[in-house]
Amino acid sequence: KQEVTQIPAALSVPEGENLVLNCSFTDSAIYNLQWFRQDPGKGLTSLLLIQSSQREQTSGRLNASLDKSSGRSTLYIAASQPGDSATYLCAPSNNDMRFGAGTRLTVKP
Amino acid sequence: DTAVSQTPKYLVTQMGNDKSIKCEQNLGHDTMYWYKQDSKKFLKIMFSYNNKELIINETVPNRFSPKSPDKAHLNLHINSLELGDSAVYFCASSRGQGGYEQYFGPGTRLTVT
Repeated sequence: KQEVTQIPAALSVPEGENLVLNCSFTDSAIYNLQWFRQDPGKGLTSLLLIQSSQREQTSGRLNASLDKSSGRSTLYIAASQPGDSATYLCAPSNNDMRFGAGTRLTVKP
Repeated sequence: DTAVSQTPKYLVTQMGNDKSIKCEQNLGHDTMYWYKQDSKKFLKIMFSYNNKELIINETVPNRFSPKSPDKAHLNLHINSLELGDSAVYFCASSRGQGGYEQYFGPGTRLTVT
């Protein structure tokens, strides 16, 4: 059974900092890995999807990497802004998608 | 236009009641899902439907039953509600099973008193 761990559980940074969120998973037989953000009381917004054959994906200030063999993915956020404050979830997927507990990010003005 | 929608957004009910949550997607996707997010914020898959066929059924109580009248809808029926059913329920959809990007609805917050 897939186990997903996200570190750190919470992170607080001043505006403008670059930061890295980590995700590890136990079963490397995945089709892809998806990163989401969840704002308080809201649904999930898909940020990036990395296919198992890819090493990284970029969207704006976000860059996600995937090392499938070692069961790791990172989400890099450049020049963080207060609007980036949210919980970030990683979800590797084989036949179904499993979620980590998330990293709660606070970006202070 | 909303891609994945759920109704109601909030649902407060008493123990023992039967309730339904509706989900609709206008993306033309073949697969739909129900997830439960508990008070500790863990998201867990409950059900998955592909072309009106149940393909994942996690160990959820049989009081929960998904109903798919057509490819665009996957409703969740819950019988004999219990306090522990209080959670946020999310519907999602994807183009297919196994490796496709999933799109989530806004969630339904269920409170059982």
